[in-house]
Amino acid sequence: SQKIEQNSEALNIQEGKTATLTCNYTNYSPAYLQWYRQDPGRGPVFLLLIRENEKEKRKERLKVTFDTTLKQSLFHITASQPADSATYLCARLSGSGNTGKLIFGQGTTLQVKP
Amino acid sequence: DADVTQTPRNRITKTGKRIMLECSQTKGHDRMYWYRQDPGLGLRLIYYSFDVKDINKGEISDGYSVSRQAQAKFSLSLESAIPNQTALYFCATSETGTGDTQYFGPGTRLTVL
Repeated sequence: SQKIEQNSEALNIQEGKTATLTCNYTNYSPAYLQWYRQDPGRGPVFLLLIRENEKEKRKERLKVTFDTTLKQSLFHITASQPADSATYLCARLSGSGNTGKLIFGQGTTLQVKP
Repeated sequence: DADVTQTPRNRITKTGKRIMLECSQTKGHDRMYWYRQDPGLGLRLIYYSFDVKDINKGEISDGYSVSRQAQAKFSLSLESAIPNQTALYFCATSETGTGDTQYFGPGTRLTVL
């Protein structure tokens, strides 16, 4: 079965540093991966989508990579700020083709300290 | 996201009661989803609907039912609530052809005593 695995341990970093979060998937590579941000008690918010044929995608201080050989996506936040503290979820399509369903990882909690 | 609303936001109920959670969206999206989130288990899909006449079971549909009353409305029912259905419930929408990017509501915190 397809799985998405994220480091369940919280990531603590100092303000200004680059945070790097890892998402590993099993089985075949999905057509795309998505990253979401979730604050406590609130719904996830979409951040970025990266397609299988894209090595890297950027949005402001965010960067996502997609390595189909390693079956891994990395999510980077540069010049991190305390306001970046949240849980970040990785998601992939469930099944092949456009099934319209996503499988979410458990999320990694990022804590940025001033 | 104010475009996707859920009611109620919090609910405490007793074992055996029937509960309905409602979701409305103004995004005009055709696809709607219900998830539950539990600590350590992440988001799990309960039911999903790609249009008004389409209802599909997700990963954990037992004990739940849904109704798609209109394109903009998707309700989740717990026919006879049990304590292990205590969780945070999220409704989400997506638009066909957009890579299934999902837009989530604010969530309903349900406690079953």
